[in-house]
Amino acid sequence: QSVLTQPPSVSGAPGQRVTISCSGSSSNIGAGYDVHWYQQLPGTAPKLLIYANINRPSGVPDRFSGSKSGTSASLAITGLQAEDEADYYCQSFDSRSAWVFGGGTKLTVL
Amino acid sequence: EVQLVESGGGLVQPGGSLRLSCAASGFTFSSSAMSWVRQAPGKGLEWVSAISGSDGRTYYADSVRGRFTISRDNSKNTLYLQMNNPRAEDTAFYYCAKEGGIPPWVDYWGQGALVTVSS
Repeated sequence: QSVLTQPPSVSGAPGQRVTISCSGSSSNIGAGYDVHWYQQLPGTAPKLLIYANINRPSGVPDRFSGSKSGTSASLAITGLQAEDEADYYCQSFDSRSAWVFGGGTKLTVL
Repeated sequence: EVQLVESGGGLVQPGGSLRLSCAASGFTFSSSAMSWVRQAPGKGLEWVSAISGSDGRTYYADSVRGRFTISRDNSKNTLYLQMNNPRAEDTAFYYCAKEGGIPPWVDYWGQGALVTVSS
């Protein structure tokens, strides 16, 4: 059972917009800690996608965006492409258990 | 270019020991906080341990505290994870991770080293 809750799977057709939610609590996201997102393509190591809620590292397309409100955060992907098919993880900090990750969401491009 | 290359993974018996290494390059290793994050096959990510860059302070997940030891050799730009008394549930890919920001996130990941704990 992960401290941060993500839907196990989401799907969308090419060109569509999908969102992945990350739900926390008052000891992590709700306490003001930032949320970060990682993309893990099949058979590879994770890669930083969004840091500090809304920021994209150099090289990450602007089709990816993040937001945070209250005890939750979201990752939005617009103009869905086949290459976006991957697992996505949110991560934050928790005052009781240090680093915390979501359980991961598998994105399927139909 | 930042590079993190893990080595030392393999098969270890329950109750045995194993040391993972991570060779770092492309950034100022001595001033960078580092972590180990693991992923059991087919499962999600789990933070294992962290070490600060400046004073070498260490932090551990409850699941490994007292059994695993994180350390670093700044003269060799190398991060280590000593795994003592491993259990079957420690079987996972272990990723070396460079931290960014405070509180931290991972801005660079290694390719991972598979550790299998089995008799």
